[in-house]
Amino acid sequence: GQQLNQSPQSMFIQEGEDVSMNCTSSSIFNTWLWYKQDPGEGPVLLIALYKAGELTSNGRLTAQFGITRKDSFLNISASIPSDVGIYFCAGQGLQGAQKLVFGQGTRLTINP
Amino acid sequence: DGGITQSPKYLFRKEGQNVTLSCEQNLNHDAMYWYRQDPGQGLRLIYYSQIVNDFQKGDIAEGYSVSREKKESFPLTVTSAQKNPTAFYLCASSIEPGPLNTQYFGPGTRLTVL
Repeated sequence: GQQLNQSPQSMFIQEGEDVSMNCTSSSIFNTWLWYKQDPGEGPVLLIALYKAGELTSNGRLTAQFGITRKDSFLNISASIPSDVGIYFCAGQGLQGAQKLVFGQGTRLTINP
Repeated sequence: DGGITQSPKYLFRKEGQNVTLSCEQNLNHDAMYWYRQDPGQGLRLIYYSQIVNDFQKGDIAEGYSVSREKKESFPLTVTSAQKNPTAFYLCASSIEPGPLNTQYFGPGTRLTVL
């Protein structure tokens, strides 16, 4: 089945630093989504990408849909304490389009 | 406010008992989904429903059952046949099924089987 490899698994940074994480797949996706999950809560959608090459920003967050349609990255600029959490990428493929395939998550920890 | 509600937030059950998790949405979304999340893992799809009175198995449907009698409700039953039911369960919905329709998640129910 389709799988997403998300990296890094965890990050420990200082407040104010920029963050970059990415997801790669061996198969093509039509849609890439980035979610943030706080402990004990449901994931919250950050950015949705629908076209290859698309670059979208949401405040300090920027995400791109890779040209090959097999990868995506998420950048966070000037990190702040409330950025702490787990970030998930998710993709929707050509087949079984109702299904989202999730990465394993990137756990972000920020030292003040 | 529009959104997805899941209840209860925490649920404890004895081994061998069936338990039903509630998911309600007032977003007028056609499609609804159930996911399971284990510690340090991504989400895995249990069941999904594209329309009322219709649902399909996801990747890990064994030991679970669902119903979709109303558009706004998609309850999940964790049966005694599920070998490892302790997990965090997340419900989601989208306007309609398909690759351009983003899924939005509820707050989750943490089920612990003793």
